Amino acid sequence: ETGVTQTPRHLVMGMTNKKSLKCEQHLGHNAMYWYKQSAKKPLELMFVYSLEERVENNSVPSRFSPECPNSSHLFLHLHTLQPEDSALYLCASSQVVVRGPDTDTQYFGPGTRLTVL
Amino acid sequence: TQLLEQSPQFLSIQEGENLTVYCNSSSVFSSLQWYRQEPGEGPVLLVTVVTGGEVKKLKRLTFQFGDARKDSSLHITAAQPGDTGLYLCAGPDNYGQNFVFGPGTRLSVLP
Repeated sequence: ETGVTQTPRHLVMGMTNKKSLKCEQHLGHNAMYWYKQSAKKPLELMFVYSLEERVENNSVPSRFSPECPNSSHLFLHLHTLQPEDSALYLCASSQVVVRGPDTDTQYFGPGTRLTVL
Repeated sequence: TQLLEQSPQFLSIQEGENLTVYCNSSSVFSSLQWYRQEPGEGPVLLVTVVTGGEVKKLKRLTFQFGDARKDSSLHITAAQPGDTGLYLCAGPDNYGQNFVFGPGTRLSVLP
């Protein structure tokens, strides 16, 4: 399989549940990202990992916990979420995090549509 | 903080018409990317523009990067219903590892 894959594609959970989102990239990239996309809002960057090390955490609530065991896999662990956390969660990867015209492009997965009841 | 603005926010046109959407910033970007996103899916990369003044063509889509690398445009010729979607522009910030995204232009092409 090629590109960036995400599972599950859809997830419904209660506020007391614990669940995890999974992302896998098959592009040989070294940087991975989690974004949140809510209705009528621009994409919000949540976390950035470079070579499995977290390099960016944009003031995300602690109920979201990322994990990057290797450069191909990224997880987002969810617990005690709120209804306003319902959104499309997108994973992306890029070749490297260090800037360069040929390495700036991000490739996105299809997303996980999360609904918190 | 680098910001990207996009206009128009919404656009609804008939099949066969031409259209242009815009991506603007007061900041210089080393490159800009255009993505198209369909409902319930992730954004799909259309093109990356790198050089000021650069023009790239992708079938009926023409992308231009402004000379000062602060703006970009996407022109679609003879739009088709398959062009319907959210068009996002994005670019790397100058400080760290963040990508800045515009709010998008939501295009609807009616048959």
